[in-house]
Amino acid sequence: AQKITQTQPGMFVQEKEAVTLDCTYDTSDQSYGLFWYKQPSSGEMIFLIYQGSYDEQNATEGRYSLNFQKARKSANLVISASQLGDSAMYFCAIISGGYQKVTFGIGTKLQVIP
Amino acid sequence: EAGVTQFPSHSVIEKGQTVTLRCDPISGHDNLYWYRRVMGKEIKFLLHFVKESKQDESGMPNNRFLAERTGGTYSTLKVQPAELEDSGVYFCASSQDFGNTQYFGPGTRLTVL
Repeated sequence: AQKITQTQPGMFVQEKEAVTLDCTYDTSDQSYGLFWYKQPSSGEMIFLIYQGSYDEQNATEGRYSLNFQKARKSANLVISASQLGDSAMYFCAIISGGYQKVTFGIGTKLQVIP
Repeated sequence: EAGVTQFPSHSVIEKGQTVTLRCDPISGHDNLYWYRRVMGKEIKFLLHFVKESKQDESGMPNNRFLAERTGGTYSTLKVQPAELEDSGVYFCASSQDFGNTQYFGPGTRLTVL
C-alpha cells in the first residue's frame, strides 16, 4: 500500500516570498514516483513536477522545486518568488511498484497575499 | 496538443437518476484513469484502462458504477442509479506509457440531490 500525508491544511505566503509545502510518503516499493499537482479555483488539476525514486538530483521546473529526502520519505514542494496566481490547492501524490493508480494526499490550500 | 477533456463540467441530478460522464484522453495515450474526490476527502482512484481493457478496477465503489472504453479512445463512466454519496468531482487522467506522468482533465462536478 502507498500513502501520502500532507499536514498543512492551509498556508499563507507573501507575494514574492518562497514557500514550502510539506509532503511525506509511505511505500514498501523501491521504485516509485512522486508528483505535485496544482488545483486552482477553476478546478482543473495541473501537473507541476515529478521526482523518481532513483533520481539523485532534486527535480526543478521553473519556480518549482522538489526537496526530495529519501531517508526521511519526504517530498516537499518549494515555490520560489510566489505570485498571486499561485493561490490554489496543492496535492502531493505517489505512484509505486506495479501499480498505475496515483495515491493523493488531502491537499494544502495556499493563499498568496499581495 | 489538446489536453484531457471531460464532459459535462457540471451535472446536477436527483437521487435515483442516471448520469454518464465522458472523458477524452490526450491523443495517443493508451492509459486512461478515473478518479473521484468527495468533498473534503482525498482524490481516490477508481479504475484504469489500457486501451479498451480494464487493467484495474479495484477503486470502483460498487456495481452502480460502470466504466467503458469501447475502441480504446474516449471513456464513459455511468452512475445508475445515483445516490447522494456519489456527489463529488470526477477526474479523468491519461498517460502515454506505464509509469509516466498522468495528465488530468478539468473534472466533472456531480451533485446528487
